[in-house]
Amino acid sequence: NAGVMQNPRHLVRRRGQEARLRCSPMKGHSHVYWYRQLPEEGLKFMVYLQKENIIDESGMPKERFSAEFPKEGPSILRIQQVVRGDSAAYFCASSLQAGRGGADTQYFGPGTRLTVL
Amino acid sequence: EDQVTQSPEALRLQEGESSSLNCSYTVSGLRGLFWYRQDPGKGPEFLFTLYSAGEEKEKERLKATITKKESFLHITAPKPEDSATYLCAVSLYGSGNTGKLIFGQGTTLQVKP
Repeated sequence: NAGVMQNPRHLVRRRGQEARLRCSPMKGHSHVYWYRQLPEEGLKFMVYLQKENIIDESGMPKERFSAEFPKEGPSILRIQQVVRGDSAAYFCASSLQAGRGGADTQYFGPGTRLTVL
Repeated sequence: EDQVTQSPEALRLQEGESSSLNCSYTVSGLRGLFWYRQDPGKGPEFLFTLYSAGEEKEKERLKATITKKESFLHITAPKPEDSATYLCAVSLYGSGNTGKLIFGQGTTLQVKP
């Protein structure tokens, strides 16, 4: 059973370009979370999605960032007009459900490391 | 404000020297507490979930325990391959808490042979 998949693993962008990060959840998982890990900082929640719905985007910067999880295909985290401060590792996690009792365990992908030049 | 604090920030042990990592939490309503292991350049790897005070989970040389205010990750007779950063995270009950995890800063463990 394949785990959470993310691509690309490494992404280099120049200031002002767009970055698109992809996440395929574990088989059978319909809940997707995105987290960001800035250098020397802990993991911070960004957004929580289910198929075709954004459930919680309280951790997402108000501008330039967007996320989607379409009916078909991977979840996408999109960063427009990247700046140097966006350089970080971006992790996707998926869970079977959001309730209690073990099914809410979030499994993480390997991450995408974004470098903005 | 909901907060998760891990200590120590870094820990060096000799192989076979047992120790414990601490995760203190100040939260409005704990739904679950999670321990992860993260190796350099990789994503967090799930270790344990704890839901209630008094609960214990065990896996190989690791044992996780929890009280109403903190959780411990006990490492018995560690080996060099246990070297990693150990992350503690909580999910909360209440409006606006949708299962997102709040992470501590992590404890970086180094086990020397």
